[in-house]
Amino acid sequence: QQPVQSPQAVILREGEDAVINCSSSKALYSVHWYRQKHGEAPVFLMILLKGGEQKGHEKISASFNEKKQQSSLYLTASQLSYSGTYFCGTPDRGSTLGRLYFGRGTQLTVWP
Amino acid sequence: DAGVIQSPRHEVTEMGQEVTLRCKPISGHDYLFWYRQTMMRGLELLIYFNNNVPIDDSGMPEDRFSAKMPNASFSTLKIQPSEPRDSAVYFCASSLSGQGGNQPQHFGDGTRLSIL
Repeated sequence: QQPVQSPQAVILREGEDAVINCSSSKALYSVHWYRQKHGEAPVFLMILLKGGEQKGHEKISASFNEKKQQSSLYLTASQLSYSGTYFCGTPDRGSTLGRLYFGRGTQLTVWP
Repeated sequence: DAGVIQSPRHEVTEMGQEVTLRCKPISGHDYLFWYRQTMMRGLELLIYFNNNVPIDDSGMPEDRFSAKMPNASFSTLKIQPSEPRDSAVYFCASSLSGQGGNQPQHFGDGTRLSIL
């Protein structure tokens, strides 16, 4: 039930945009996004709960297409501080259990 | 508010020794998760608890691994005996209950474990 993330890695110049995708073979109920900087713990960014819903965090936004069973994370005008590994996590559909299935992550590097 | 607290931050020990990792979840959170992170396998869920009760330990790699949660504010992950392939970063995370996974997980700073 692990979601699949793409691409595996992205290299950007400061100010450029990037898109990270997360897809599942199973129906999605919600999607979580986390960012982990090198040597640190994953940090929660946002949850998307409804199909088509878009959320934002700084200049980072995300969409969730329940029909396509996928979510995309949009990083606009990237800053150096955006560097890190981005993970999506998905729960069991309709479950009250708290576990998430995390993707393998997308490593984002932003250069000045 | 205090976040999830893990100890120790770093542990270096010799193969065969017992290792105990500790975690204090955020007060009021009723889910606690133990993860292991390596370059090869990514972020793996080892076991998780709900209201101090283990719900799913299918991710625990071997009988050498055990976890307990004696009360709502403390959990341990033990490895006995430890092996070099257990070297990894171990994270503890906690969250509130929620329908359909609508509650975020809050991660501790992790324990970087090295088995020589």
